[in-house]
Formats: sequence, C-alpha cells, structure tokens
Amino acid sequence: SAVISQKPSRDICQRGTSLTIQCQVDSQVTMMFWYRQQPGQSLTLIATANQGSEATYESGFVIDKFPISRPNLTFSTLTVSNMSPEDSSIYLCSARGGEGYTFGSGTRLTVV
Amino acid sequence: GENVGLHLPTLSVQEGDNSIINCAYSNSASDYFIWYKQESGKGPQFIIDIRSNMDKRQGQRVTVLLNKTVKHLSLQIAATQPGDSAVYFCAENMGSGGYQKVTFGTGTKLQVIP
Repeated sequence: SAVISQKPSRDICQRGTSLTIQCQVDSQVTMMFWYRQQPGQSLTLIATANQGSEATYESGFVIDKFPISRPNLTFSTLTVSNMSPEDSSIYLCSARGGEGYTFGSGTRLTVV
Repeated sequence: GENVGLHLPTLSVQEGDNSIINCAYSNSASDYFIWYKQESGKGPQFIIDIRSNMDKRQGQRVTVLLNKTVKHLSLQIAATQPGDSAVYFCAENMGSGGYQKVTFGTGTKLQVIP
C-alpha cells in the first residue's frame, strides 16, 4: 500500500494567517483527497485533487479558502487561508494505493 | 492525543468476545465500501473492503457483510483484543474513472474491556 508522509503534524496559528499542509506519497497516484475532521467527529471531504487539473471541491468548501496544489503524481498541498478559530481541526490527506485508500497521519491545526 | 471518538456512539465489548459494528450508507450507487480503524492521534487505517457485487468478505479476524437492499454494512471482529480499541468508520466510494470520492459514516468507538 502507498505510504503518505504529512507535515506539519500540528501547528498553532494566529487568526488571519495561512498554513500550508504538505503530503508526499511514496508512489505515483492519480487522485489525492483532502479531509477535515473535527474532534470527536467523522471525516468530511474537502476536495479531490488530480494531477494536472483543478481540484474539485465539495459543497461548503471553496478554492479561495482552501487552495490546493497538485504539481506531480506524488505530492499535494492544502492551504488553509485567512484562518479563524473555526478552522481549528485535523486535516488529513489521502490517496488510492493498494488496498483501499491510505491516509496521512493528519495535521492538528489550532487557530488562536 | 486528539479526542477522536468524543461524541461518537460507543460499543463496549469484553475481551475475547466478538464485536459487531454497524453502518448505514446513503447512496445506492456506491460501488465499493471500506472499513477503517482510527486510533487516537493517527490517520484512518484500512481494515477490509468489499465491492458492491459481493455480500460478504472475510479477512484475518474480521468479516464485512453488505446488505444492499437496506443499504447496511457491518464489521465483525472475532475474539476482540485490547488493541482493537479505536474508532471505526465505514466509508463508501462513489464515482468512476477520473473522479471518485470516498465519504465517511459517523463512526463507532469500540472499547474493549480487559
């Protein structure tokens, strides 16, 4: 199965700033996915990122707030822009590889 | 670690007993289903999957059952161990070709009592 390295693992950020989260996959994958998980809740899909095309965002998520890059088949970034305390959450990336979908270990973001 | 599972339904099982975790999915067009285990502070970990043309699949100590008529999925864990304590999510895959997405159910926290 694919292995995903995600960083940072956690960060505390000031409101109004932006944070970029990176995910590196150890093999080439067509699609990568970004999720948000509030504490004690399930995962909510933010967007799907294919290499060479714009990301597809789910309802309630917009590109200006969560710009995504997918420069090649092994890497993607998610930026959380103009952060507010409501953006405090765990952000996870995922990719299809081998069995099911593999996940990064998550980025725990706290906005103060 | 993170408070994964703080607001989730909880299933408490005695060590050595079998566990059954249930999930209702929403989209009859979903063609692939996955069970994930998530431990505190970690990302979801693949357990077992099943395609929509099957109704049962077995792995090591785990069995997934799919009932498409009522859109219900279950995960059975045999001889539950303390290491099985975690939050379990079912997920459904939709779409095809260049666009697919996986959406997650609400999750169940499994507590194994030693």
